[in-house]
Amino acid sequence: KQEVTQIPAALSVPEGENLVLNCSFTDSAIYNLQWFRQDPGKGLTSLLLIQSSQREQTSGRLNASLDKSSGRSTLYIAASQPGDSATYLCAALTQIDKYIFGTGTRLKVLA
Amino acid sequence: EAGVAQSPRYKIIEKRQSVAFWCNPISGHATLYWYQQILGQGPKLLIQFQNNGVVDDSQLPKDRFSAERLKGVDSTLKIQPAKLEDSAVYLCASSPQTVELPNSPLHFGNGTRLTVT
Repeated sequence: KQEVTQIPAALSVPEGENLVLNCSFTDSAIYNLQWFRQDPGKGLTSLLLIQSSQREQTSGRLNASLDKSSGRSTLYIAASQPGDSATYLCAALTQIDKYIFGTGTRLKVLA
Repeated sequence: EAGVAQSPRYKIIEKRQSVAFWCNPISGHATLYWYQQILGQGPKLLIQFQNNGVVDDSQLPKDRFSAERLKGVDSTLKIQPAKLEDSAVYLCASSPQTVELPNSPLHFGNGTRLTVT
């Protein structure tokens, strides 16, 4: 049974810092791994999707990497801004066509 | 493109009452999901539709929850009767994902926040 874990559960950093969010999954047989952002009271917004054959994806200040063999993905945020404050969730798409979500990392970037 | 639309945004009901949520996915998206998100947790899949057929409803409490997707487009999720532990945000998501397009991203609506008192 696939389990997805995110560490840390919460993170508070000063503006301008580079930071790394971690996502671990127990079953390496995944189609893809997707990172989402969730603002309070809102749904989830897709940030990056890494296919199982890829190692990383980049969008602006965001870079996501995937290491299937070790069951890990990281989301790197460069030069963090207060507007980056949100909850970040990762989700693994399993071979049986189901997304399994982590519990998220609550990020607060201080001005 | 228009996003996933959900209504209502908020709902407060007493336990044992019934409630229904509506979702209009992005046009052309074959796959539709309903998730339950309890405060501080990640979304948990309740039911997955491919067009108008159910792909996975293994985690749907079928004694009280029901869902349908008419004509493979809009979907409704119903709870009857509601319990206190049903208080959560109910999220609808859609994806163009099919066997031919296995790596398609999920698109979420803003959700319905349900409070059961």
